[in-house]
Amino acid sequence: NAGVTQTPKFQVLKTGQSMTLQCAQDMNHNSMYWYRQDPGMGLRLIYYSASEGTTDKGEVPNGYNVSRLNKREFSLRLESAAPSQTSVYFCASSGVSRTGTYNEQFFGPGTRLTVL
Amino acid sequence: AQKITQTQPGMFVQEKEAVTLDCTYDTSDPSYGLFWYKQPSSGEMIFLIYQGSYDQQNATEGRYSLNFQKARKSANLVISASQLGDSAMYFCAMREDLTSYGKLTFGQGTILTVHP
Repeated sequence: NAGVTQTPKFQVLKTGQSMTLQCAQDMNHNSMYWYRQDPGMGLRLIYYSASEGTTDKGEVPNGYNVSRLNKREFSLRLESAAPSQTSVYFCASSGVSRTGTYNEQFFGPGTRLTVL
Repeated sequence: AQKITQTQPGMFVQEKEAVTLDCTYDTSDPSYGLFWYKQPSSGEMIFLIYQGSYDQQNATEGRYSLNFQKARKSANLVISASQLGDSAMYFCAMREDLTSYGKLTFGQGTILTVHP
């Protein structure tokens, strides 16, 4: 199992450009999430999808849109990138832990985005 | 109010000694989970340990243990016998079960440096 995969790993954009960050999981999880991490800070939730066909805003949704394409895939779109969106973006999915006793969040490797 | 507070921006420890990283939380949800993640300089999020609000015993995973004091709303991570490879950023996170659909709220992190 690949777990949670993200593409691309790195991206540089100019202000005003658009792009889509892709995320996929092969663990048959219902819930998926997009977080951003700014330098020296913890992760903050952008959007999440509790199940296929639903999406909801998190703490910092402005400037982003998401699509839950199917159960496996959850994409994050920046329509008009701004320097304030320079960050590391993590996708995650939530499912039963290896011990089977609690729900655990599984993270992708992250996408490092720079907006000039 | 901050839901997760990590008051130690940086901590230093001598190799082979134990270190405690502090985490306090705030929730009115009776059912919640607390997580610790390690983020090395390579950037990935590595799950370390979980404590559920109803768990009777403090969680342990190898050299990691969680000092859970429910009345004080604290969930400190204890790393025993520190190793050079433990140098990293450490995040405390909380999942509130009744309201969150599995999404996590993170603290700002503590940078741990292990000296030889």
